[in-house]
Amino acid sequence: AQKVTQAQTEISVVEKEDVTLDCVYETRDTTYYLFWYKQPPSGELVFLIRRNSFDEQNEISGRYSWNFQKSTSSFNFTITASQVVDSAVYFCALSEYYLQTGANNLFFGTGTRLTVIP
Amino acid sequence: DVKVTQSSRYLVKRTGEKVFLECVQDMDHENMFWYRQDPGLGLRLIYFSYDVKMKEKGDIPEGYSVSREKKERFSLILESASTNQTSMYLCASSSGGEGTGELFFGEGSRLTVL
Repeated sequence: AQKVTQAQTEISVVEKEDVTLDCVYETRDTTYYLFWYKQPPSGELVFLIRRNSFDEQNEISGRYSWNFQKSTSSFNFTITASQVVDSAVYFCALSEYYLQTGANNLFFGTGTRLTVIP
Repeated sequence: DVKVTQSSRYLVKRTGEKVFLECVQDMDHENMFWYRQDPGLGLRLIYFSYDVKMKEKGDIPEGYSVSREKKERFSLILESASTNQTSMYLCASSSGGEGTGELFFGEGSRLTVL
């Protein structure tokens, strides 16, 4: 069964600091996808990134970067020069594909609440 | 703009009442999901549907049922609401097939059962 662990429950940083959110996963699948979602105070989850298990290249998008390491089953998320608007709950998720139905489900971690202090 | 719309943002119901939570998506997605979000527990899957009239139990289906009569609509039903069903309910949809998996979420429905 899939499992996602986000050990950091809450993190507070001062604006402009860098912050890394950790995500460790467990799966027996050889092909899988990892995701990060952001949930701002408004409540709607916003998709940030999807990473294929065969692609271990790190990715950078503006102030966001992701470090995928298959050897340690980790998919960590770094925000550089944090801003107040980054305050949110961040969820890491792992896919599971149901061959019989063609459906994909996502298993979510418990989330990390990030507070950026001005 | 793609959209998943949940019918009610906030509901207050009494123990024993029947509760309907409605979700509509406009992306022609095959898959639709109902999750429940509780502090410290993250998102837990209640039910999902991969086609019209087709459904599968998730991790915590007890006390819930679902209905998908049309592709764009997925309803979550609490036959007899209980206080431990007080929670945030999130609907999501995704396209089918391996290699996809990105879920699009609605804004959530916060249910309080008194």
